[in-house]
Amino acid sequence: GENVEQHPSTLSVQEGDSAVIKCTYSDSASNYFPWYKQELGKRPQLIIDIRSNVGEKKDQRIAVTLNKTAKHFSLHITETQPEDSAVYFCAASKGAGNQFYFGTGTSLTVIP
Amino acid sequence: DTEVTQTPKHLVMGMTNKKSLKCEQHMGHRAMYWYKQKAKKPPELMFVYSYEKLSINESVPSRFSPECPNSSLLNLHLHALQPEDSALYLCASSLHAAGRGNTGELFFGEGSRLTVL
Repeated sequence: GENVEQHPSTLSVQEGDSAVIKCTYSDSASNYFPWYKQELGKRPQLIIDIRSNVGEKKDQRIAVTLNKTAKHFSLHITETQPEDSAVYFCAASKGAGNQFYFGTGTSLTVIP
Repeated sequence: DTEVTQTPKHLVMGMTNKKSLKCEQHMGHRAMYWYKQKAKKPPELMFVYSYEKLSINESVPSRFSPECPNSSLLNLHLHALQPEDSALYLCASSLHAAGRGNTGELFFGEGSRLTVL
């Protein structure tokens, strides 16, 4: 089955700095890579996703890059704000209705 | 309506109790999921229903029994649970079911926080 590894497990940055979280996956059949943000006591919410036919996607301060050959994808948050503090999970999936394999999570703290 | 609604939000039960968790979505989504999440851990898949049929069971113990009465509802029946089953149980849905389209966003409910005494 799929194995998704995520690093780092914790990340502290100063407000305004950039944050980068990296994930690797093992199954070349995975074709969908979402990133979820989970605030304490809240549900995971999708913040950005990328499909295997795209190398990069950006949405305001958030971007995701995908390297299919190397089987890794990364989340980039620029101009971080305190409200970005949360746990971020990457995931990989092979298709609708199938298993979403989650990474182990990164606890991001943005220091004002 | 773009929400997945779960009830109850909190549940405390003894090891001999029988209880149920409920999940509802009215987005016309054809796949529904149960996940279990322990503190500071990622969600772990338990079950997937595609078109109201159980399509994935991740070797979940039989003390957890899922049910999908219709395309909008998903239940998780609980019986003879153990203290280690205490966790946040998340329901999710996605527009497409297996083999019927591109993977899309998983919409999560707020979860039911279960404590087993």
